[in-house]
Amino acid sequence: EDKVVQSPLSLVVHEGDTVTLNCSYEVTNFRSLLWYKQEKKAPTFLFMLTSSGIEKKSGRLSSILDKKELSSILNITATQTGDSAIYLCAGLNYGGSQGNLIFGKGTKLSVKP
Amino acid sequence: EPEVTQTPSHQVTQMGQEVILRCVPISNHLYFYWYRQILGQKVEFLVSFYNNEISEKSEIFDDQFSVERPDGSNFTLKIRSTKLEDSAMYFCASSPDSGEQYFGPGTRLTVT
Repeated sequence: EDKVVQSPLSLVVHEGDTVTLNCSYEVTNFRSLLWYKQEKKAPTFLFMLTSSGIEKKSGRLSSILDKKELSSILNITATQTGDSAIYLCAGLNYGGSQGNLIFGKGTKLSVKP
Repeated sequence: EPEVTQTPSHQVTQMGQEVILRCVPISNHLYFYWYRQILGQKVEFLVSFYNNEISEKSEIFDDQFSVERPDGSNFTLKIRSTKLEDSAMYFCASSPDSGEQYFGPGTRLTVT
């Protein structure tokens, strides 16, 4: 059975700290690994990683995929209170003609002022 | 910036009733999806849709569920006879190329 496991499940840091969120996956016909930020409702797309070892960056956020270790990390530097959210990792497979996402439980990040 | 929209934001229905959840995907996207999230649990895949056909469906998507793209903009999820366990947040998502998926704000369905 496909699964995506995230750690830690929750994390409390102070503004300015750097955090690393972990994701491991076992996904049949794996295609890509996606990261989302979920605040109140909709998951908001952050990154899609398909190739191993190539870092993707967006501002203070960065992420990298290790296909040998079947894992990915999401780094957030100089955290701000606005980074408080649940961060979701999802594996995209080649199911059917368009694939679907298998989500982890998420890491709940709380950034204290 | 284009967004996926969903209506209603909250739907309360009685067990056994039919509900239709509506989504307007991003206009130039071709691939559509429904997911659900039961409170406190993972987001789960329900169904994917492309070229007016279901591409794949999960075990959750049984005969009580159906999807339709009735016109060029809407994408709907129908639950024929709701059960208590159908209470969840339902997310619609769309993708331009079956890669990254963009999610709508969700419809919270409460079955009483």
